[in-house]
Amino acid sequence: SQQGEEDPQALSIQEGENATMNCSYKTSINNLQWYRQNSGRGLVHLILIRSNEREKHSGRLRVTLDTSKKSSSLLITASRAADTASYFCATDAGSNYQLIWGAGTKLIIKP
Amino acid sequence: DTAVSQTPKYLVTQMGNDKSIKCEQNLGHDTMYWYKQDSKKFLKIMFSYNNKELIINETVPNRFSPKSPDKAHLNLHINSLELGDSAVYFCASSPPGRYEQYFGPGTRLTVT
Repeated sequence: SQQGEEDPQALSIQEGENATMNCSYKTSINNLQWYRQNSGRGLVHLILIRSNEREKHSGRLRVTLDTSKKSSSLLITASRAADTASYFCATDAGSNYQLIWGAGTKLIIKP
Repeated sequence: DTAVSQTPKYLVTQMGNDKSIKCEQNLGHDTMYWYKQDSKKFLKIMFSYNNKELIINETVPNRFSPKSPDKAHLNLHINSLELGDSAVYFCASSPPGRYEQYFGPGTRLTVT
């Protein structure tokens, strides 16, 4: 299956700063999700944004979706050391609830 | 605890052996998945079952055979293991009619 693209591949920032990750995809979607993966752990669902939504918030997370550009961004405000993880975007493949996954952004928060 | 669990967490074995990984979810979900994550963190869907019925079977070698004895369990059996099978295998599940997936902790398979 095709994969979305995420950038940057890696991001290192100071604790307290904001972190922005981007995801681009190739086909029309019904929704887009963001997941977090801590080192050595399984993925954890963070947020889902539907194709008719432009922005969604959850705590310190803000997700935007631009369907005309086929892209999404995840903003983590006031980053903490515990936010250190890999972040993946996933879009629906249109059938069977299968997801198409991005390659992930590795985020490192320096104390 | 309500969760998706996998056993074993680590599996080290030699080429040519046959091994199984077990997955169980007590979330009441209808759909379960197996993913392979390689060393570059790419996540690739392998199989998906809905209510014990196979609905996604991506291009994987037929040495890999999933088995779903009931909708709470999806096991993965691998025959004649090869070096290239080394990866982390994740089980996941999702509720009926929903796209959000819930992942197990992963099984790190190392083939020597």
